[in-house]
Amino acid sequence: AQSVTQLDSQVPVFEEAPVELRCNYSSSVSVYLFWYVQYPNQGLQLLLKYLSGSTLVKGINGFEAEFNKSQTSFHLRKPSVHISDTAEYFCAVFLNTGRRALTFGSGTRLQVQP
Amino acid sequence: ETGVTQSPTHLIKTRGQQVTLRCSSQSGHNTVSWYQQALGQGPQFIFQYYREEENGRGNFPPRFSGLQFPNYSSELNVNALELDDSALYLCASSFDRGDTEAFFGQGTRLTVV
Repeated sequence: AQSVTQLDSQVPVFEEAPVELRCNYSSSVSVYLFWYVQYPNQGLQLLLKYLSGSTLVKGINGFEAEFNKSQTSFHLRKPSVHISDTAEYFCAVFLNTGRRALTFGSGTRLQVQP
Repeated sequence: ETGVTQSPTHLIKTRGQQVTLRCSSQSGHNTVSWYQQALGQGPQFIFQYYREEENGRGNFPPRFSGLQFPNYSSELNVNALELDDSALYLCASSFDRGDTEAFFGQGTRLTVV
């Protein structure tokens, strides 16, 4: 079975500072990796995904993530955050065989302070 | 904003009652997945429908059931509601069952009292 661990439940950061949200996964088969963002009272919006190829993936709103197979990690980064980035961020895996559904981590609350 | 719409946005039910949640998939999408997101947690997969048939199920009891219609819209039904069923229910549609990209609706907030 696959699982996703988001190591930080909350990450406070000042505006214009860099941020990294950590994600580790475990799976016995190869997976695709995703980051989603959830603003208050809304559904999930895809930030970026890794399917194959370059391990550095760029997404929307200036976010990027790096796939590290040896460390089974997919950490999300942004060099300079804005107040509007305050939201819940979810890392997820998707098996490329068998059950075609997303397995999510428990989320990281990014709180950007002025 | 995605083309996935869910109704209602909020509702309150009493323990033991039954509830039906609805989802209209994005145009051209034939696959719908349902997720339950309890407060402070990540979404958990309930089941998926592909071309009107169930195409995978998570660890949810049989009182969680669903339907997909010929226009690919979908319903989630929950019988004998329990307090722990209080959650945000998210619907996601995909172009096809093997598609990696899912588009989420805004969710239905269910409160069981």
